[in-house]
Amino acid sequence: DGGITQSPKYLFRKEGQNVTLSCEQNLNHDAMYWYRQDPGQGLRLIYYSQIVNDFQKGDIAEGYSVSREKKESFPLTVTSAQKNPTAFYLCASGRDSTNYGYTFGSGTRLTVV
Amino acid sequence: GENVEQHPSTLSVQEGDSAVIKCTYSDSASNYFPWYKQELGKRPQLIIDIRSNVGEKKDQRIAVTLNKTAKHFSLHITETQPEDSAVYFCAADQGAQKLVFGQGTRLTINP
Repeated sequence: DGGITQSPKYLFRKEGQNVTLSCEQNLNHDAMYWYRQDPGQGLRLIYYSQIVNDFQKGDIAEGYSVSREKKESFPLTVTSAQKNPTAFYLCASGRDSTNYGYTFGSGTRLTVV
Repeated sequence: GENVEQHPSTLSVQEGDSAVIKCTYSDSASNYFPWYKQELGKRPQLIIDIRSNVGEKKDQRIAVTLNKTAKHFSLHITETQPEDSAVYFCAADQGAQKLVFGQGTRLTINP
């Protein structure tokens, strides 16, 4: 799907449970990003990584964690500390400069049950 | 840090008319301004972008203009068609390989 794959497409989480969203890219992009999208709102940055084994907090990092052990992969864990996790999560990747924009994955819709 | 504001939040136009969406940004160091289109339940897709050394860029029915002095940029869609209905996001770069997005505009094309 455009070289960046997110899975699963739909995910249901019980209260107090941690869940992990997968993001894999084969575009050889250095940078990867996680955004959260709520209905009627824009894209808010959760975490981003410019290089393997390094990542930075975005604007709404609380209750989330990430890892970047491989260039191709940037999984996002939604922990039980995230009190309102129901949202649409988008992963993106980019080249070594923002001047080429992002390629987005198809998203994961997370619902708390 | 960078702040991007986008207006209007919703826009409804008759098929065949033009649509204009405007964004302002706060960081004068920003140099890259992309526009994304997101159809319902799908991923955002880059439709056009502009860099700070250019004032206007056009691609068929879509154009983007940039005024660096005033720190605003706009998306123009001419001869709108039903398939143009979507949510549109503007963005500005904030160095460090980050993009800051506007809140989005829901564009509806009425037949």
